[in-house]
Amino acid sequence: DAKTTQPNSMESNEEEPVHLPCNHSTISGTDYIHWYRQLPSQGPEYVIHGLTSNVNNRMASLAIAEDRKSSTLILHRATLRDAAVYYCILNKDSGNTPLVFGKGTRLSVIA
Amino acid sequence: KAGVTQTPRYLIKTRGQQVTLSCSPISGHRSVSWYQQTPGQGLQFLFEYFSETQRNKGNFPGRFSGRQFSNSRSEMNVSTLELGDSALYLCASSLPDAWPATNEKLFFGSGTQLSVL
Repeated sequence: DAKTTQPNSMESNEEEPVHLPCNHSTISGTDYIHWYRQLPSQGPEYVIHGLTSNVNNRMASLAIAEDRKSSTLILHRATLRDAAVYYCILNKDSGNTPLVFGKGTRLSVIA
Repeated sequence: KAGVTQTPRYLIKTRGQQVTLSCSPISGHRSVSWYQQTPGQGLQFLFEYFSETQRNKGNFPGRFSGRQFSNSRSEMNVSTLELGDSALYLCASSLPDAWPATNEKLFFGSGTQLSVL
């Protein structure tokens, strides 16, 4: 399985931007980069995904390196409700492959 | 539109018993997958169903089984419970048009917290 590497934890001040890094040096050409987050006492929640180009949605932005060996999830203004575990996952576009969750990054937001 | 519903929310069982967990996917979603989450192992894939057929299975013993009904609702069963089966069991649904699905977003329920005493 293609692996991702994320820092165990990060901390941010409220209303500051947050950049959550993810390394995926063994990514293949057909792997999509997905991000999910898990708030306390809830199931994971889809955040964003992309293949090669940077992506934006109402929740976050995803910046993908030109060689695709790393990516960064950007929360433009962290709020207390963004405190969660963020998972970076490679999802093969060939189908028939379940998502493999790593340990993720635990983000703390300080008021 | 209602989200993924899992019942019950909490469950306490004793070793040796069996348990059945239920998952109702988002209306119109045809694929249901199950995950086990523990503090030590994190989220681990159990199995996935599409159109009432198991399409994928994770590395779990045969005590773990599941099924999907014609309305896409799914159940998972764990027989002969062990202490190590204590975990949060999460169900997720997605909307693939066909199988194999490509690059589908998963929508998770809040899970069933199972405690085995």
